[in-house]
Amino acid sequence: QVQLQESGPGLVKRSQTLSLTCTVSGGSISSGDYYWSWIRQPPGKGLEWIGYIYYSGSTYYNPSLKSRVTISVDTSKNQFSLKLSSVTAADTAVYYCARANGDYAYDAFDIWGQGTMVTVSS
Amino acid sequence: DIQMTQSPSSLSASVGDRVTITCRASQSISSYLNWYQQKPGKAPKLLIYAASSLLSGVPSRFSGSGSGTDFTLTISSLQPEDFATYYCQQSYSTPRTFGQGTKLEIK
Repeated sequence: QVQLQESGPGLVKRSQTLSLTCTVSGGSISSGDYYWSWIRQPPGKGLEWIGYIYYSGSTYYNPSLKSRVTISVDTSKNQFSLKLSSVTAADTAVYYCARANGDYAYDAFDIWGQGTMVTVSS
Repeated sequence: DIQMTQSPSSLSASVGDRVTITCRASQSISSYLNWYQQKPGKAPKLLIYAASSLLSGVPSRFSGSGSGTDFTLTISSLQPEDFATYYCQQSYSTPRTFGQGTKLEIK
């Protein structure tokens, strides 16, 4: 079955760029009607959708973060990535990658990575 | 952006109770409403998609209903493993948005 795994630094300095990668295993990132997503959750708070990418490269970003976010895909490595620039303490969160399933699930996020905690330090 | 509002924000219940959580959208989202369960330190898990479709493998005590702006998640008979935080989420338009969560605690 398809599994997702986030990787990247757990500590990022204020004003720098946060970079995370999600590796997809058990299936091809290029198959099916799926959107590969990033979602974050600040400590003790709710979930915030950051954006997603289709395997073709089409992207959709949350307007609240759009000026700072870039999501890219590398089909040869079966990975997609997140870059968030000019980070502040407000960007400290658990970052999840997830699959939005447009095949049958009305674009629900049906598969999630385990999440990775990113702390922005001063 | 479509705002999703859940009620209550927290709920105390006992094993065997029937529990209902409500989610309201700020505009019509047809049936593009999904429900997730999250336990501490874990990623959310999809329970129900398209308002009322149970994901394969999810116990049948979970059910969802509604369309338009008003939706409900019902757990017919609470089990110990059901104590968690529940989120609704709309997939009708971008940006995708979540409710603030409902924390279900043991009474």
